[in-house]
Amino acid sequence: DSGVTQTPKHLITATGQRVTLRCSPRSGDLSVYWYQQSLDQGLQFLIQYYNGEERAKGNILERFSAQQFPDLHSELNLSSLELGDSALYFCASSGPRGRGGTEAFFGQGTRLTVV
Amino acid sequence: AQSVTQLGSHVSVSEGALVLLRCNYSSSVPPYLFWYVQYPNQGLQLLLKYTSAATLVKGINGFEAEFKKSETSFHLTKPSAHMSDAAEYFCAVSERNTGNQFYFGTGTSLTVIP
Repeated sequence: DSGVTQTPKHLITATGQRVTLRCSPRSGDLSVYWYQQSLDQGLQFLIQYYNGEERAKGNILERFSAQQFPDLHSELNLSSLELGDSALYFCASSGPRGRGGTEAFFGQGTRLTVV
Repeated sequence: AQSVTQLGSHVSVSEGALVLLRCNYSSSVPPYLFWYVQYPNQGLQLLLKYTSAATLVKGINGFEAEFKKSETSFHLTKPSAHMSDAAEYFCAVSERNTGNQFYFGTGTSLTVIP
């Protein structure tokens, strides 16, 4: 158990809909990362938050947005869903670098299926 | 920005044979280096990490990796493959002086042949 919790585990929705994926980081971790993993694109970095602020942006579509709340949990919002958005979405967290935080710890993922 | 190259998207080895998965990074300053393993329908799990201590790093499940600065490499090895090693393996780097960003390779799928 990595200590990172993602909900829901599975999600099936229709094209054009909007969904929210939730992530609770490990206790004490300030950084949260979101990744998308699909068969044709591999593991794609979407976005990183650090202590509530956006820190880095990757290949995140404009239809997608995220935020990190004061209690450090994070949500990834996916809207106007398309068939191609079907993928595994991972959240990861890491600790503050100054306190020895180095590796990222991954949740089990949310499998999104758009039909 | 950092980049990570994993040579060979698919590697097949016989059970009991040496496993060698290659990873090269691009950085003038040695970064933190990691190997992760992903089993089907699961998240990524840390196998081992290099953070500047010994250049030969031992991880879980009998895996180890050697950091070679001159070759900018961090190849993953295991002396004897088990069937349970079949999985996807990702190499990742994180720069030491910037905000905890991680850069992942494209992954190597390891098949173990009985």
